[in-house]
Amino acid sequence: DAGITQSPRHKVTETGTPVTLRCHQTENHRYMYWYRQDPGHGLRLIHYSYGVKDTDKGEVSDGYSVSRSKTEDFLLTLESATSSQTSVYFCAISESRVGYEQYFGPGTRLTVT
Amino acid sequence: AQKITQTQPGMFVQEKEAVTLDCTYDTSDPSYGLFWYKQPSSGEMIFLIYQGSYDQQNATEGRYSLNFQKARKSANLVISASQLGDSAMYFCAMREADRGSTLGRLYFGRGTQLTVWP
Repeated sequence: DAGITQSPRHKVTETGTPVTLRCHQTENHRYMYWYRQDPGHGLRLIHYSYGVKDTDKGEVSDGYSVSRSKTEDFLLTLESATSSQTSVYFCAISESRVGYEQYFGPGTRLTVT
Repeated sequence: AQKITQTQPGMFVQEKEAVTLDCTYDTSDPSYGLFWYKQPSSGEMIFLIYQGSYDQQNATEGRYSLNFQKARKSANLVISASQLGDSAMYFCAMREADRGSTLGRLYFGRGTQLTVWP
């Protein structure tokens, strides 16, 4: 199994508070991705990174920011959490932007009350 | 437009029978990859099978096979000899290789919930 961890695994927070989710990999893969999963929507891309300090937006990036200061860590921040950001968040990593490898972390279940 | 369409919200199959989960895709990129993932109730995403757009033969992995019909833009997953442990959500996904701006991200369908009954 690819070495990907996410922390925390579960979090409950209040509306308006900032929240940071962490994705950590031990594979030294270049590409990292944050997706959110909601019923009826599958997984949708929030942000992605193609190297240290190189990040870009996906299709549901509003209200989220990311940072990647080291190859192994990709942080997702909800600047001011809203109830619509209640979701399951998955991190994924890939060595290449082509081919069959895209490994997923175990997910973080976030509830915003 | 949807990149990946899964038209079956739910499917039921009896144990030991085969089942086909449908997936159609939309891309103008000549180079792409198609994936199937399984998500059991525990929530993790489990990679099942991959098909590259230039692969001549349909991909197979144990009891899983991908019925790839390029002209129809379909990539159906076939599970042979279903087992109770196959009950899960199944996602079809696509990656476009030549579009530099997407940098390897996956586009997902909405999933099919498969239930295997004894």
